Amino acid sequence: DGGITQSPKYLFRKEGQNVTLSCEQNLNHDAMYWYRQDPGQGLRLIYYSQIVNDFQKGDIAEGYSVSREKKESFPLTVTSAQKNPTAFYLCASSLVRGNTEAFFGQGTRLTVV
Amino acid sequence: AQSVTQLGSHVSVSEGALVLLRCNYSSSVPPYLFWYVQYPNQGLQLLLKYTTGATLVKGINGFEAEFKKSETSFHLTKPSAHMSDAAEYFCAVSFRGGGSQGNLIFGKGTKLSVKP
Repeated sequence: DGGITQSPKYLFRKEGQNVTLSCEQNLNHDAMYWYRQDPGQGLRLIYYSQIVNDFQKGDIAEGYSVSREKKESFPLTVTSAQKNPTAFYLCASSLVRGNTEAFFGQGTRLTVV
Repeated sequence: AQSVTQLGSHVSVSEGALVLLRCNYSSSVPPYLFWYVQYPNQGLQLLLKYTTGATLVKGINGFEAEFKKSETSFHLTKPSAHMSDAAEYFCAVSFRGGGSQGNLIFGKGTKLSVKP
């Protein structure tokens, strides 16, 4: 079955640690995205990538980093510079950007302890 | 700047009643419009989309939406609510073009409750 897989589903981080969230897709999509979701805030774009080896900052990129070394994979690192990392993180992909549907993973809930 | 506004963070209806979730957008260029649904602790699933052509769009689970350019609206409706419709609904917009234009901009969501 084609789809997007995010792992882990739940993640706990100590303050000052970096953590990496995994996102893999087998839909052969060029575009991939990372969103952050907080209650009552909707989804806010962290980073997006249109093609392998290219990515761009979204609206709230500070404290985050990404890589796109393979078409299938778009991992997100939450660094210690992110002041309030506790949130639900969603990865998505689409065939192209604009008028095509985005497919979402099941999300990773990150909690700072 | 382009934006999406969903009126009402919470909507409650009785089972069998009409569901109406409101979405307005602001844009100086033609939009692509989407409605997504999210169940607790899950990702988003596409309900329906408008890109071009017929302005009344039918989606999954009996939902439909109408693009009204003059009102800059894309309200979601369902004639008869079912208990399984209880979820959070997000309206989103994107645009043709390069740079950040092709990215989805989401509204803040509307939580739908369905009373028996």
